[in-house]
Amino acid sequence: GQQVMQIPQYQHVQEGEDFTTYCNSSTTLSNIQWYKQRPGGHPVFLIQLVKSGEVKKQKRLTFQFGEAKKNSSLHITATQTTDVGTYFCAGPLGGANNLFFGTGTRLTVIP
Amino acid sequence: DTEVTQTPKHLVMGMTNKKSLKCEQHMGHRAMYWYKQKAKKPPELMFVYSYEKLSINESVPSRFSPECPNSSLLNLHLHALQPEDSALYLCASSQGAGLAGPPSYEQYFGPGTRLTVT
Repeated sequence: GQQVMQIPQYQHVQEGEDFTTYCNSSTTLSNIQWYKQRPGGHPVFLIQLVKSGEVKKQKRLTFQFGEAKKNSSLHITATQTTDVGTYFCAGPLGGANNLFFGTGTRLTVIP
Repeated sequence: DTEVTQTPKHLVMGMTNKKSLKCEQHMGHRAMYWYKQKAKKPPELMFVYSYEKLSINESVPSRFSPECPNSSLLNLHLHALQPEDSALYLCASSQGAGLAGPPSYEQYFGPGTRLTVT
């Protein structure tokens, strides 16, 4: 079946350091979404990437979609304590809105 | 209003109980979803409703029964659950159901109901 893996599973960084999480799918994705879930919270939509090789930026966050549309990455520059949480990528399984979530990367930022 | 609400926030039930989880959105979204999330795991899709009709059932056990009374409301009826069903149950909604293909629509999640089955 479809698998969406993320690495690393956990990441501890000092505040101010950069952070990257990688998302790899066993199948080609028509698009990919990224969500953030704070501890004790619920997933919150960050962004959607659709085009091969697409790069989008949101302030300190940079998202990339691979040329083959099977992988994606999220890079955070100069992490802050507010970046703490688990970051999930998610791709459609079957219907376009039937999202299959990746395994997630839990980010801890040490002040 | 970009909020999805869920009640109750917490629920403890025995294996012989019947209970219901409720979800509501007033964003005019036409697709609503139920997810199950175990601790330190990603959300897993359980049910999708598109235009108030169940469009997918991800092989969820029959002890979980979804209901969509109208376009703003989504219920999940629980009966004879097992301890391994203890989890965070998340409701989400999106503008469309994407049944015709990509792109997908961003999903808005509610705060969830934390269910404990004893």
